[in-house]
Amino acid sequence: GQQLNQSPQSMFIQEGEDVSMNCTSSSIFNTWLWYKQDPGEGPVLLIALYKAGELTSNGRLTAQFGITRKDSFLNISASIPSDVGIYFCAGQLTTPLVFGKGTRLSVIA
Amino acid sequence: GAGVSQTPSNKVTEKGKYVELRCDPISGHTALYWYRQSLGQGPEFLIYFQGTGAADDSGLPNDRFFAVRPEGSVSTLKIQRTERGDSAVYLCASSVTGRDTEAFFGQGTRLTVV
Repeated sequence: GQQLNQSPQSMFIQEGEDVSMNCTSSSIFNTWLWYKQDPGEGPVLLIALYKAGELTSNGRLTAQFGITRKDSFLNISASIPSDVGIYFCAGQLTTPLVFGKGTRLSVIA
Repeated sequence: GAGVSQTPSNKVTEKGKYVELRCDPISGHTALYWYRQSLGQGPEFLIYFQGTGAADDSGLPNDRFFAVRPEGSVSTLKIQRTERGDSAVYLCASSVTGRDTEAFFGQGTRLTVV
C-alpha cells in the first residue's frame, strides 16, 4: 500500500525560530493535508492542498504541494509555545486518506 | 454538541472481552469515519459510513471488528475477543460533504487491553 515518510520524527526549537518539516511518498497523490494533534485530542486540519505546485498559507503556517506530486512540506514561522504538538501529513489519491507517522515539535521558551 | 463526541474517553478491558466504542458525529454530517491510531503512529483508516451503510470497510483488520450506524447518526465500533494488540486510540471523524479531506475529528477513545 501507499506509505508516507515524514521527517524529522521530532524536533526541539527555540521560541521565535522557524520550523520546516516534510513528507514524501512512494506514489503520487492528488491531495495533501497537514494536521496538528494535541495530547488527548483528535487531529485538527491546518492546511489542505489540491494542486501540484500549490503554495498555501494559514497565518504563520505555509505548506506546498510538490511538483512531482510525491512530496509536501510545512513551514512554521516565528514559533510560539502553543505550536507544541504532533504534526501529521496525509495524502490521498483515491480514498481513504493515508497518514504519516508525525513530527513531534517541542518549543523551548 | 458542537463537535464530534466519542465515549468513553478511556476504556480498559481484559483480553478476550467484548467492547463497544461510541461516536456522536456533528449534527447533519452524513459521512462518518473510524480510524485507529497506535502509539507513535498516524491514524489508520478502518471504515467509512455514508448514511446508514458502510461505503468502505476495507480498513477493518479482521472479523473481530465490526461497526454499525443504524439511524445514520451515532455509530458504534464493536470489537470482539479483544487482544493486547488492539490497544490504541480509536478516532471518529465526520463530514457534511462526504469527503474525508473535509472531516472533523473527535478526541478519540483510548482502549487498553490488559
